[in-house]
Amino acid sequence: SQELEQSPQSLIVQEGKNLTINCTSSKTLYGLYWYKQKYGEGLIFLMMLQKGGEEKSHEKITAKLDEKKQQSSLHITASQPSHAGIYLCGADSTGANNLFFGTGTRLTVIS
Amino acid sequence: DAGVIQSPRHEVTEMGQEVTLRCKPISGHNSLFWYRQTMMRGLELLIYFNNNVPIDDSGMPEDRFSAKMPNASFSTLKIQPSEPRDSAVYFCASSLGGVYNEQFFGPGTRLTVL
Repeated sequence: SQELEQSPQSLIVQEGKNLTINCTSSKTLYGLYWYKQKYGEGLIFLMMLQKGGEEKSHEKITAKLDEKKQQSSLHITASQPSHAGIYLCGADSTGANNLFFGTGTRLTVIS
Repeated sequence: DAGVIQSPRHEVTEMGQEVTLRCKPISGHNSLFWYRQTMMRGLELLIYFNNNVPIDDSGMPEDRFSAKMPNASFSTLKIQPSEPRDSAVYFCASSLGGVYNEQFFGPGTRLTVL
């Protein structure tokens, strides 16, 4: 079965602190996508990685994909309350843009 | 651009009733995806279309679920008859298709089956 494991399942951090969320697959992936979801809303695209060793940054969020293309990390620097939400990794293992998703990481940022 | 449009946003129905969820993808996108999200199972792909043709429906739970895409600008997901375990948030997403293209998600339809 296609599975993506995310860790941790939930995270509570003090505003200003750095944090990392991990996403691991047992399969080599064609593409790895990070989305953010606020409660009751749809998913917002953050970043997509496709090459082994690739790293992308947007504002204070950095995502990396390992050389084997089986593990990704999402790092937030100097977290803010606006970063709170559920972070989902989604992956394409067939090359057909057919995504399956991890169970998500719920991030709470305390002021 | 209006983004992906879904209707209704909320639906409450009784067990046994037919439910139809609707989706209008972003104009110009040729791939459309239906997902279901629950606390227990997370976000699951139900079916996806490419150029209005269903490509993979292996995620559709059972025969009570059916999806259609009669044209490039409209898709429906129907549940008949509905059951309480179908209660979930149903998302529609669209993309330009192919590999490595971002999927844009709609706001979702929250379905409650009593």
